[in-house]
Amino acid sequence: GAVVSQHPSWVICKSGTSVKIECRSLDFQATTMFWYRQFPKQSLMLMATSNEGSKATYEQGVEKDKFLINHASLTLSTLTVTSAHPEDSSFYICSARGGVRGHTEAFFGQGTRLTVV
Amino acid sequence: LAKTTQPISMDSYEGQEVNITCSHNNIATNDYITWYQQFPSQGPRFIIQGYKTKVTNEVASLFIPADRKSSTLSLPRVSLSDTAVYYCLVGDLRAAGNKLTFGGGTRVLVKP
Repeated sequence: GAVVSQHPSWVICKSGTSVKIECRSLDFQATTMFWYRQFPKQSLMLMATSNEGSKATYEQGVEKDKFLINHASLTLSTLTVTSAHPEDSSFYICSARGGVRGHTEAFFGQGTRLTVV
Repeated sequence: LAKTTQPISMDSYEGQEVNITCSHNNIATNDYITWYQQFPSQGPRFIIQGYKTKVTNEVASLFIPADRKSSTLSLPRVSLSDTAVYYCLVGDLRAAGNKLTFGGGTRVLVKP
């Protein structure tokens, strides 16, 4: 299947700082990327959907000024957690779909474990 | 995306076949049925996808009845490494603007 690479795999940051997570599609052009967060023992919660070259669409309850999403190219999307606080500690996962023929499924990155201290 | 309902958890033993049924009563004509597997602290991994009847690949089979209101993921001869959460998703990702949302998933525990 197609490969989606997410970086970093884990990060620890101090409260009040910002953290950037990258999501790259390595062997296909991702026309759409999805960002999720997942708390322990829970399902994935969709945060936002981004299409290349346009603004992300955020789910209800997700602060767009806190979770900045940039999808500047067909192979890269970034999620920046601004002014992070301990409650932002979570597992963040990106997903991408696209391809020349238009994938019917999405492919996921390996996730980023964010710990805010 | 159509709402899905799956059992919360299932236990099995090594070598047995595991069948997980997902209900999706309001599936739309263009929707596909896709199953993902997730291990702790990893992103979901694509297992199998189907539209109707039966699909089989090297790791699983997917059975879809004619009315498509449910589907069953079949994992043959499971091993301890198949312990994971399995998610059933229904939708048409080819349509611009469609989202990919997850339900609760089924936590499968394979015992020795």
